[in-house]
Amino acid sequence: DAKTTQPTSMDCAEGRAANLPCNHSTISGNEYVYWYRQIHSQGPQYIIHGLKNNETNEMASLIITEDRKSSTLILPHATLRDTAVYYCIVRVVRSGGSNYKLTFGKGTLLTVNP
Amino acid sequence: DAGITQSPRHKVTETGTPVTLRCHQTENHRYMYWYRQDPGHGLRLIHYSYGVKDTDKGEVSDGYSVSRSKTEDFLLTLESATSSQTSVYFCAISESVSGGYNEQFFGPGTRLTVL
Repeated sequence: DAKTTQPTSMDCAEGRAANLPCNHSTISGNEYVYWYRQIHSQGPQYIIHGLKNNETNEMASLIITEDRKSSTLILPHATLRDTAVYYCIVRVVRSGGSNYKLTFGKGTLLTVNP
Repeated sequence: DAGITQSPRHKVTETGTPVTLRCHQTENHRYMYWYRQDPGHGLRLIHYSYGVKDTDKGEVSDGYSVSRSKTEDFLLTLESATSSQTSVYFCAISESVSGGYNEQFFGPGTRLTVL
């Protein structure tokens, strides 16, 4: 699976958009980009995923560059409850049990300030 | 929220004692996972299961064993607990979906302290 690089920490003002970058320059054509987050003392939570098209759901938007070497997770109106560690994960999806595991890196600590 | 429970939620034990952590799901998902989370290491996969009685090792499996006799239950056993196994343990589940993606749902975690 491709390696990802994320900033260690970021700050965002409440009500503003939070844009979290992820670099995955070694991504291959059959690898998906996933985003999870972990609020303090809770289990990780799935946010969104994509292959090459931009995606949006009720939580966030995912923008993937045309060359797929980087992506940005966008929380359109950040709230204090969005303070969490955000993980960008890139992986191939294949059939078979072992290929469904996720490898979490260090992630980005997003702090939303009032 | 996905129906995943972990028990116990907190446990303190002594070095050398056996410990079993339980993960229970009500979603009938095929895949189940055990992760541990430690400061500076993020989440690391211990073992996973891809069906009843079908399990395999993850990246940090030494000192741990698992069993899955029913779809809904995945047990993690520390045969002889050591202080290095003090950690927060998370269970996760997922269902195979044709077309490719794999959303994992995580449980609330078990905080284990080995003295």
